[in-house]
Amino acid sequence: QVQLQQWGAGLLKPSETLSLTCVVYNGSLSDYYWSWIRQPPGKGLEWIGEVNHRGSTNYNRSLKSRLTMSVDTSKNQFSLKLSSVTAADTAVYYCARRYIRFGDPFWGYWGQGALVTVSS
Amino acid sequence: EKVMTQSPATLSVSPGERAILSCRASQSISNNLAWYQQKPGQAPRLLIYGASTRATGIPARFSGSGSGTEFTLTISGLQSEDLAVYYCQHYNNWPAGGTFGPGTKLEIK
Repeated sequence: QVQLQQWGAGLLKPSETLSLTCVVYNGSLSDYYWSWIRQPPGKGLEWIGEVNHRGSTNYNRSLKSRLTMSVDTSKNQFSLKLSSVTAADTAVYYCARRYIRFGDPFWGYWGQGALVTVSS
Repeated sequence: EKVMTQSPATLSVSPGERAILSCRASQSISNNLAWYQQKPGQAPRLLIYGASTRATGIPARFSGSGSGTEFTLTISGLQSEDLAVYYCQHYNNWPAGGTFGPGTKLEIK
């Protein structure tokens, strides 16, 4: 069963760049899109964007100008960078994989989540 | 952009009873709808996709129905472990993405 494990800096100051990485175990990056989804404390879920093994991306339009997603197939991992963060970017960030190969964007495999706090 | 709403915000049901959760889309989304369960401190878990297809390993007491703009998640024979927040999600392949509803918190009486 595929497993996703994520890590990254947990405390940032306003205007800094958020950086998270997710490594994939028991599976290949090929044939799937790999997503980032976030959840502000006590609130609902927001899809951030996704990247495939070729580096093709789809981004949430509301975040697109600040987003960079990439893959490193040699390490079987993918990454998220979100620039110019503010307190509104404080959230638990999840990495996730689409449930079905070549399928629609709903997610059956999730990382454990990483809390990122933006505070001066 | 399609907006997803869920009702009620909180639902309290006794063990063994049936819980009915609703999700509405601002425009028709055909059957491009998924349901997730999120327990405290955990990542969401996919329950249903295609409005009515259970994901692997999901018990039959979870069922989804609906199409167009109105959808329902029914949990039969409620168990204490079903305490969670349930989210619906509309998905697109073009442009790719997903929009979640605000969630329904299910409490066990």
